Amino acid sequence: DVKVTQSSRYLVKRTGEKVFLECVQDMDHENMFWYRQDPGLGLRLIYFSYDVKMKEKGDIPEGYSVSREKKERFSLILESASTNQTSMYLCASSVSSGRGTGELFFGEGSRLTVL
Amino acid sequence: GDSVTQMEGPVTLSEEAFLTINCTYTATGYPSLFWYVQYPGEGLQLLLKATKADDKGSNKGFEATYRKETTSFHLEKGSVQVSDSAVYFCALQGAQKLVFGQGTRLTINP
Repeated sequence: DVKVTQSSRYLVKRTGEKVFLECVQDMDHENMFWYRQDPGLGLRLIYFSYDVKMKEKGDIPEGYSVSREKKERFSLILESASTNQTSMYLCASSVSSGRGTGELFFGEGSRLTVL
Repeated sequence: GDSVTQMEGPVTLSEEAFLTINCTYTATGYPSLFWYVQYPGEGLQLLLKATKADDKGSNKGFEATYRKETTSFHLEKGSVQVSDSAVYFCALQGAQKLVFGQGTRLTINP
C-alpha cells in the first residue's frame, strides 16, 4: 500500500514558537505538497516541491517555509507560529506525468493549535 | 485563474436516498477533473476522476460526468449508505497543482 506519513496528528504550540511538520512518502514520488484545510475554505496550497531541494510557493506561502533535502521527506516550517495558523495541515505526494501532477496521495493530516 | 465551486453544505440525507453534489469549474483548456473524499479522522483519498470531455468516472457506486458545455462535474449516487458520510472535494488539475473546491460535508442518517 502506498503511504504518506505525517509525523504528528495533533500539536499544541504557543505564539512565537517555531514549529516543524514532517512528511514522509514511501512511493518514490517526485512531487510533494503542503496544504492547509479550513472549514468553508477547502484546501489551500502553501508550498510544493517537484524535486529534491526544489520548492515553489503556492497560494498562501506567507508565514511558512519548507525543506526538501531528501526525495521522500518534505518539511513544513512555521518560523514564528501565530494564532491564525491554527489549522489542519495536509501533506500529499504524486508522481510526475506529462499532464501535470496526476493523482495526489494524502497523509492523515496534522491538526495544529496555536495558543 | 483556475477555480472550482461546489454546492454549499452540509447536506443531510436518509439512507437509500439519491445524492447529487454540484461542482462547476473555471479553467483554461480542458483539465482533468477529480472527486476526493475525506472520511472522519482520515486524509483525502481519490474517489474518481475524468480526463476529457464526456468521460464518466465511477467508483463505489458514485459517478460523475465531465461536461464541457456546462463546465460541470457533478457527483451522483443512486442510493447512499451511512458509510458514505464524509466530506467530498471536487478538484481540477492545473499546470503544476490541483485546485480544490471548498468541500461539501455529507451526513447520511439511518
